[in-house]
Formats: sequence, C-alpha cells, structure tokens
Amino acid sequence: GAGVSQSPRYKVAKRGQDVALRCDPISGHVSLFWYQQALGQGPEFLTYFQNEAQLDKSGLPSDRFFAERPEGSVSTLKIQRTQQEDSAVYLCASSRGYGTGELFFGEGSRLTVL
Amino acid sequence: AQSVTQLGSHVSVSEGALVLLRCNYSSSVPPYLFWYVQYPNQGLQLLLKYTSAATLVKGINGFEAEFKKSETSFHLTKPSAHMSDAAEYFCAVSTSGNTPLVFGKGTRLSVIA
Repeated sequence: GAGVSQSPRYKVAKRGQDVALRCDPISGHVSLFWYQQALGQGPEFLTYFQNEAQLDKSGLPSDRFFAERPEGSVSTLKIQRTQQEDSAVYLCASSRGYGTGELFFGEGSRLTVL
Repeated sequence: AQSVTQLGSHVSVSEGALVLLRCNYSSSVPPYLFWYVQYPNQGLQLLLKYTSAATLVKGINGFEAEFKKSETSFHLTKPSAHMSDAAEYFCAVSTSGNTPLVFGKGTRLSVIA
C-alpha cells in the first residue's frame, strides 16, 4: 500500500481481555517498529523487527506484551490480560533500513482499557 | 543513553510570526537528530533530519533547524507561521546503526489568526 496501515484504529477492551493490534507496513520496508504513546507524551519505543527477526524488544513493558512478524511483512502486537495502564495509542512505523531515522508512521491504534 | 528535552509543552504564536521550538539532546556519541510533526488524527511525519552533514538543515513546509554541538541543541524554526502549522512537534535522537529513535515529549504549536 501507499502508507503504513494499522487496525483497528480504535479498540475498547475490558480489563483482563486480550487484544491484538495489526500493522501493515509499506511494501518492501525491511524494518518495523512499535511505539506506545500515552496521552500528552512522546512515543516510547517498544520493539523492533528486521524482516521476521525481532532484534530488540527491550521496550516491552511486561511479559503481557508480545509482538510477531512471522513472514517479514505484517506485524501483530498482542497484549494479554489488559490493564488500565495499557491505555495508549500504539504506533507502528516502518523504514527501508535501520538507523536512517526516516520512519514512516501509521495513524496508530488507540486502545482504551476500562 | 541518549535523551531529548523539549522546552515548552505548548507554544502559541500569531499568524506570520516567527516559530521557535526548542530541543536539547543528550548523547554520548555524535547523534542523528530529527523533527517529526503530528497533525490531529494523523501519523507522525518527518519534517527534517540532521545526519552530520550541514549543520543547518532545511525541511518541508519552510521549517529549518540548526545543529549546535556546543549547546547540544537542535531548535526548529520557521520565519512566518501559517494556520496550517498548528500541530504537535516531536524532536528525536538516535545514534547510527543499532539504536531506536528516542522521542521528546512534544510541543503543541497553536497559531492565532
């Protein structure tokens, strides 16, 4: 596609539910990043993929967070047993390579946990 | 580890006035520096980036930023604000190769007619 596509755009979950957020990066982009953006804050790094390999997951806040990119294209961020503090916008970005900083962001998935 | 500090969470300027958004960074190695803009309900978009070439970097929509190593700053400027510039602006830093972008908390720019 022309840009990074994320779905769903909005998700409301009850505390304790599992959620899955999808990211479809720009075709041919090797690198894929997930960021979490809390209200009034800047994006915080969660994890990074190069093709299908998850090279850095140091930003994942707990073992309830899990990300995958099995075929090196679409990625899914899964949050198990959601908590209220997980409420945030989850941003996906892709780039041609790593270290260039020229990330192309999707519009984000806004998660609200009640 | 690198970090970014954006001074002022909200800046308000009159249409036609100078825009100045401040960013200071901390990095143990020569940094790569970026400004991103986020319009309401849209994804972040790259405005400009510094990668150790010219210290004055020109970006899209008339914005520019100057890298000042002695001040560890990378402030964003635009000579004349337009209503369409109203958005959230994020400064970000990375080191070459193997570290992800680290973003500041952002500055919301309002433009008054």
